[in-house]
Amino acid sequence: GAVVSQHPSRVICKSGTSVKIECRSLDFQATTMFWYRQFPKQSLMLMATSNEGSKATYEQGVEKDKFLINHASLTLSTLTVTSAHPEDSSFYICSASQGANTGELFFGEGSRLTVL
Amino acid sequence: AQKVTQAQTEISVVEKEDVTLDCVYETRDTTYYLFWYKQPPSGELVFLIRRNSFDEQNEISGRYSWNFQKSTSSFNFTITASQVVDSAVYFCALSEGTNQAGTALIFGKGTTLSVSS
Repeated sequence: GAVVSQHPSRVICKSGTSVKIECRSLDFQATTMFWYRQFPKQSLMLMATSNEGSKATYEQGVEKDKFLINHASLTLSTLTVTSAHPEDSSFYICSASQGANTGELFFGEGSRLTVL
Repeated sequence: AQKVTQAQTEISVVEKEDVTLDCVYETRDTTYYLFWYKQPPSGELVFLIRRNSFDEQNEISGRYSWNFQKSTSSFNFTITASQVVDSAVYFCALSEGTNQAGTALIFGKGTTLSVSS
């Protein structure tokens, strides 16, 4: 199957700094990418949908100025957590769609963010 | 609105027991997809199965089997002869398949399966 890679897999940062997480589709063009957040022992919650070349669509309750999403190419989407605080510590997972309306999504390995 | 319910929060079994994880979904679409994922402690989601709404055939893959019942909006997952390596969190998910650009998955809350030796 198709491969989606996330980087970094783990990041620890100080409160107030910004952190960028990359999501790459390695062997296909991803017209749409999705970003999820997972708190410990909880489910994956959709944060936003990004389409290449356009602004991301954020789910209700997700601060777009806090979580900046850029989908500049068909193989790369980035999530930047700005001015991170301890409550932003979480597991962030991206997924990518080829847009073939097959319901098929490919997930990255996830990125664990710890804000001190 | 779409919704996925996994009523079982945690299940504990002893090795070699069979275990069924329940999943009930809600959607207004006639075209949709159902998924099961396994999430081991490492966090990575492991894809197990995808089923579209027009295919109600049950599926078996080794020790895994899935029972899709549209009449009860359920997509249950059974592990036969469970093993310690099956210990993980299992998520059932749903996507509505009408968006050409791809549709996000909506996940259930997950069921934590613990298999002891």
